[in-house]
Amino acid sequence: GQQLNQSPQSMFIQEGEDVSMNCTSSSIFNTWLWYKQEPGEGPVLLIALYKAGELTSNGRLTAQFGITRKDSFLNISASIPSDVGIYFCAGQLGNQFYFGTGTSLTVIP
Amino acid sequence: DVKVTQSSRYLVKRTGEKVFLECVQDMDHENMFWYRQDPGLGLRLIYFSYDVKMKEKGDIPEGYSVSREKKERFSLILESASTNQTSMYLCASRHRTGGEKTQYFGPGTRLLVL
Repeated sequence: GQQLNQSPQSMFIQEGEDVSMNCTSSSIFNTWLWYKQEPGEGPVLLIALYKAGELTSNGRLTAQFGITRKDSFLNISASIPSDVGIYFCAGQLGNQFYFGTGTSLTVIP
Repeated sequence: DVKVTQSSRYLVKRTGEKVFLECVQDMDHENMFWYRQDPGLGLRLIYFSYDVKMKEKGDIPEGYSVSREKKERFSLILESASTNQTSMYLCASRHRTGGEKTQYFGPGTRLLVL
């Protein structure tokens, strides 16, 4: 199966800092999704992107669907301790979704 | 509000046992998915279902089967559990068509096979 290249793998940041992570693929996707997963829980949807170039915000989170349709990024501004978790990107191709390996975020108070 | 539920959060089974993992969604979604999640390997698709009584193999179907007798329920079956099936199992669902193409996940079932 296909996997997306997600970077960075992990981040350790101070509370209040901004965070940026991205996903790239060799395939063109129709939809990009960003999820957050906390330990022992299922992924929770943060942002969904449906059009190339689309920029969407959800509170302190902002994500963009790349113009080439092969990449997407997620930014978190002014991080807080509860932002801790693993962030996944997912791209849709046909009826299937393909996932990044995740970015583990640690926020130091 | 979107809801995908899984029958158990934690399960401990013995090698050789038959294991049933149940997933229910209340959103009238046509498509349902079963994934397993392992450290360093990310999410891998086991099986998915387009609609009732339909199923397709994903990337790693070996050792698993599925059942979709009703639209809201998608079951994953481990015919004879093995230790390498110890994992976190995630169910997901989405509408087949229309503007809402988002996939929603359940809380996961953490399975330990001894």
